[in-house]
Amino acid sequence: AQSVTQLDSQVPVFEEAPVELRCNYSSSVSVYLFWYVQYPNQGLQLLLKYLSGSTLVKGINGFEAEFNKSQTSFHLRKPSVHISDTAEYFCAVNTGRRALTFGSGTRLQVQP
Amino acid sequence: EADIYQTPRYLVIGTGKKITLECSQTMGHDKMYWYQQDPGMELHLIHYSYGVNSTEKGDLSSESTVSRIRTEHFPLTLESARPSHTSQYLCASSDSVRTGPYEQYFGPGTRLTVT
Repeated sequence: AQSVTQLDSQVPVFEEAPVELRCNYSSSVSVYLFWYVQYPNQGLQLLLKYLSGSTLVKGINGFEAEFNKSQTSFHLRKPSVHISDTAEYFCAVNTGRRALTFGSGTRLQVQP
Repeated sequence: EADIYQTPRYLVIGTGKKITLECSQTMGHDKMYWYQQDPGMELHLIHYSYGVNSTEKGDLSSESTVSRIRTEHFPLTLESARPSHTSQYLCASSDSVRTGPYEQYFGPGTRLTVT
């Protein structure tokens, strides 16, 4: 069985500062990795995904993530955040069996 | 652009009532999902459908039921709502051929409150 751990439940950061949201996974088989963003009272929107190939993945809104197989991590980064990035971010893994397994989420709070 | 719709967006209902949460997608995706999300918590799969007339229970036990009579429609029903059913319900769909493997598109969610 796979599992996902998001190490930080909340990350406060000032506007224009860089941010990293951490995600670790455990799985005995190959995985496909995703980051989703959820704005208040909305569904989830896909930020980026890793399926294969280059371990550095670029997504929407200036976000990127790096797949590190040896550390079983898929951390999300942005070099300069905006107030509008305030949201809940979910890391998810799929081993190709059925549905996604989600982490518990990280609330990014961007302060002016 | 993904088109997946959920109605109602918000529902407040009394204990014992029967409710149906609607989910429709216009993309022709074969797989559909229902997730339950409590405030500040992760999403848990409660139902899954491979295609028409094919449904399975998810990882989280739920008293709700689902049906998949048409490809585009995946309603969730609670026969007798209870306060413990208060949560947000998210519907999603995917299709390995059209959208790429394992990527899911989500609806806006239904926030259910049972009083």
